[in-house]
Amino acid sequence: GENVEQHPSTLSVQEGDSAVIKCTYSDSASNYFPWYKQELGKGPQLIIDIRSNVGEKKDQRIAVTLNKTAKHFSLHITETQPEDSAVYFCAASKSGGSNYKLTFGKGTLLTVNP
Amino acid sequence: NAGVTQTPKFRVLKTGQSMTLLCAQDMNHEYMYWYRQDPGMGLRLIHYSVGEGTTAKGEVPDGYNVSRLKKQNFLLGLESAAPSQTSVYFCASSYPDRADEKLFFGSGTQLSVL
Repeated sequence: GENVEQHPSTLSVQEGDSAVIKCTYSDSASNYFPWYKQELGKGPQLIIDIRSNVGEKKDQRIAVTLNKTAKHFSLHITETQPEDSAVYFCAASKSGGSNYKLTFGKGTLLTVNP
Repeated sequence: NAGVTQTPKFRVLKTGQSMTLLCAQDMNHEYMYWYRQDPGMGLRLIHYSVGEGTTAKGEVPDGYNVSRLKKQNFLLGLESAAPSQTSVYFCASSYPDRADEKLFFGSGTQLSVL
C-alpha cells in the first residue's frame, strides 16, 4: 500500500517568515495530493490540493509543488501569521473508483511566533 | 448546515467495556470514514463505507466494527475496549466526484480506556 513520509515533525518560525513542509510518497500510481490543517481541538480541514497533471498550485499565501519523478510534494506558506499555527497533514491517494481513500503523513506542528 | 457531527465528544471506558461512536452527516455524501489519531502516528483509517449498507476495512481495523444502515450515519463499535484503543477518533465524509474529493471531518471523540 501507499506510504507517506512527512518532514519536519515540528517547525517553528517567526511571524512573516516562510514555512516549508515536505512529503514523499511510495506509490507511483498516486495522483491526488491534498493538504489538511488541524487547529487545536478541531478536525482537519482541507486547505489546498494538487493533482498529478500539474506541478504547482497557489492560493493566496499558500502553495503546493509536486515532483512526480521524485515522488515528493511540498507545502509553502509565505508571510506566516500566528493563525497559521496548527498541525498540517499531507496525504496521497489514487483518486477515482470505489477504493478511494487517503493515506496521511504523520503531521507537522507549525508554530508561528509573534 | 451542521456538516459532520460526532457523538459523544469525550468518553472514558474501563477495559472490556463496549461502546458505539455515532457519526452523522447532512451533506448527502456517499463515502464515510473512521480515522484514529495518535501522537506521532498521524491519521490512520480504521474502516470506511462507499455507500449505504457497505463497509470495508482500512489500515487498522482490528478490535472495531462498523455499520452503515442509513446513508447519513456511520457507527463505530468497540466490543471489548482495550487501553491500546485510547485515541482521538475522527469521522469524515466525502462525495466521490473526481472534481471535488475533499474530506469533511467531524470535531472528534476523545476516548480513554483505563
